[in-house]
Amino acid sequence: EAGVTQFPSHSVIEKGQTVTLRCDPISGHDNLYWYRRVMGKEIKFLLHFVKESKQDESGMPNNRFLAERTGGTYSTLKVQPAELEDSGVYFCASSHRSYVSRDRGGTGELFFGEGSRLTVL
Amino acid sequence: KNQVEQSPQSLIILEGKNCTLQCNYTVSPFSNLRWYKQDTGRGPVSLTIMTFSENTKSNGRYTATLDADTKQSSLHITASQLSDSASYICVVTGGYGGSQGNLIFGKGTKLSVKP
Repeated sequence: EAGVTQFPSHSVIEKGQTVTLRCDPISGHDNLYWYRRVMGKEIKFLLHFVKESKQDESGMPNNRFLAERTGGTYSTLKVQPAELEDSGVYFCASSHRSYVSRDRGGTGELFFGEGSRLTVL
Repeated sequence: KNQVEQSPQSLIILEGKNCTLQCNYTVSPFSNLRWYKQDTGRGPVSLTIMTFSENTKSNGRYTATLDADTKQSSLHITASQLSDSASYICVVTGGYGGSQGNLIFGKGTKLSVKP
């Protein structure tokens, strides 16, 4: 079974340009998440899709970031126009169940992709 | 403020030795706590997931403990191997079942195992 795949692995762009990151979750996983790690900081949540719907986008930094998941399969994260502070590693993760649960039935295990490193010059 | 603090920031040990990594959190309400291993240039890989009712959980040479009263967790690595060299990240989930909550990540402990 293929894991979570992300493309590109590394992108170098100039300030003001546009970049689109892609994530292919594990087949059958309705939950898809985007996270970001900037240099020296911890990984932070950006947004969460359940199928094609945005369940939670409270972590999106500003309106220069646009995430889509048309058809509930792969997702894209577009940054337009990119700024220097957008540099970092963008991780995508997927899960079959929600990762939040105090009930029996367990917690949804998250499977991460290898990340897309974005460098904005 | 929901936070996850890990210590030490980095650690160097000799192959074959044991080590313990610490995680303190202030996330509320608490749902579960996870430890991830992240190799350089790779994505995090889950080691253990513990809910509030679990005190300890093992995965091979990795043993995680959780004290929900003191809001502390530890990850013990036994008989370390060179392949254990990685960053170990503590992640706490806040929220209740049915609520999407959020994952709060620690900055990680960078472990280097030397021959």
